Amino acid sequence: GQQVMQIPQYQHVQEGEDFTTYCNSSTTLSNIQWYKQRPGGHPVFLIQLVKSGEVKKQKRLTFQFGEAKKNSSLHITATQTTDVGTYFCAGLFNGEYGNKLVFGAGTILRVKS
Amino acid sequence: NAGVTQTPKFQVLKTGQSMTLQCAQDMNHEYMSWYRQDPGMGLRLIHYSVGAGITDQGEVPNGYNVSRSTTEDFPLRLLSAAPSQTSVYFCASYRTKDYNEQFFGPGTRLTVL
Repeated sequence: GQQVMQIPQYQHVQEGEDFTTYCNSSTTLSNIQWYKQRPGGHPVFLIQLVKSGEVKKQKRLTFQFGEAKKNSSLHITATQTTDVGTYFCAGLFNGEYGNKLVFGAGTILRVKS
Repeated sequence: NAGVTQTPKFQVLKTGQSMTLQCAQDMNHEYMSWYRQDPGMGLRLIHYSVGAGITDQGEVPNGYNVSRSTTEDFPLRLLSAAPSQTSVYFCASYRTKDYNEQFFGPGTRLTVL
C-alpha cells in the first residue's frame, strides 16, 4: 500500500541547534503537506509543496520537495522552545478513484533551554 | 467563525457500547475526514466525505460508520466499542479534492475499557 516513512521518530535538541525531519515515499507524490501538532493539541497546517525541487521558507523553517517528488524535508534553524511539538508530513497520492492523503508517523521535537 | 468543532472532548466507554462522535464545520467545505491518532502511528484515515450524501472508506474503516446529511455535519459512529478503538479522534475539513489546507478539530480522546 501507499506509505510515507518519516524519520527520526524523536529528536531532542539544545535550544539554538538546528533540527531536520525527513519523509520518503516509494511512489511519486502529487504534493506533500506539513503539519505541526503542539502537545495536547491538534494538527495545524504549515505548508504545501507541489512542484518538483520546490523550496519554501517560513522564517526559520525551510521546506524542500525532492526532484523525483518522492521525498521531502523540514529544517528548522536555531530552534526555540516554541518549536516543541510533533511535525507530520502528509503525502498526496493520485489514485484511479480519487486522491489519498497519507500521513507519516511524525517526528517529536523536544527543545532543552 | 468557529472552524471545526468536535464533541465530546473526552469519553470513556465499556466494551460493546455504541456512541457517536460529533463533528461540525462552518467554513462551507465540501470535504471532511475522520482520523484516529495512535502513538507512533501518525494519523490514519477512517472515513471521508466529498460532499453531502457521499462518503467512502479510508485506511481503517472497520468498526465505524459515517453519514453526511448536511455540508456542516459529519458524525462518526462506533457500532460496538472495542479496546482497540481507544485513541484520539480528529475530524478535519478542507476545500478542494487536492486537500490543500486541512483544518482539524480539537479532537476527542476515547477510552474503551
